[in-house]
Amino acid sequence: DADVTQTPRNRITKTGKRIMLECSQTKGHDRMYWYRQDPGLGLQLIYYSFDVKDINKGEISDGYSVSRQAQAKFSLSLESAIPNQTALYFCATSDPNTSGSDNEQFFGPGTRLTVL
Amino acid sequence: GQQLNQSPQSMFIQEGEDVSMNCTSSSIFNTWLWYKQDPGEGPVLLIALYKAGELTSNGRLTAQFGITRKDSFLNISASIPSDVGIYFCAVEMDSNYQLIWGAGTKLIIKP
Repeated sequence: DADVTQTPRNRITKTGKRIMLECSQTKGHDRMYWYRQDPGLGLQLIYYSFDVKDINKGEISDGYSVSRQAQAKFSLSLESAIPNQTALYFCATSDPNTSGSDNEQFFGPGTRLTVL
Repeated sequence: GQQLNQSPQSMFIQEGEDVSMNCTSSSIFNTWLWYKQDPGEGPVLLIALYKAGELTSNGRLTAQFGITRKDSFLNISASIPSDVGIYFCAVEMDSNYQLIWGAGTKLIIKP
């Protein structure tokens, strides 16, 4: 079974709708991240959380919010989706105390979101 | 905005050829990482570099951390079909441990 799972894997929605993307992990890691990937732009950090009580904005947090419901769950919400939020969204986890490499992040399979 | 310049953007190569790609920055970073993203999946760490001048190998992959701490390169020897994908460099910010990512190099193997 995958260690980092994301639901849904694909979603098509309309402008103005509220959307929630879910991420769950069984790795026992404290740190979780949400990234957005656009063609030709690499990965951009939206939000990150170093533990359940810690939430931090990344470089492109406007238009997004997150909730860290438990160590294993980190959700990303788009309160009112707009077309330029069409992208591939990745959740990732890390734990420098347990990973072979201090900086290794483990990624989920991604959610492809299309906003019409 | 983006602080890493990764080149080339894409490469078309024949199976068996060696591949070289690099990543440069205008700022000094103390940790450089190379990830690979297979089609339809999330990135996976290939090599991590922590010391300026360090040369590290992982199978057919070799990466070097530039002595100025502003660049790194990744070489792949004797490419095979499963090498296709997007290769990303990333650096870690000392202040908050966030990663900054390059735009990626897409590797395509000609049939």
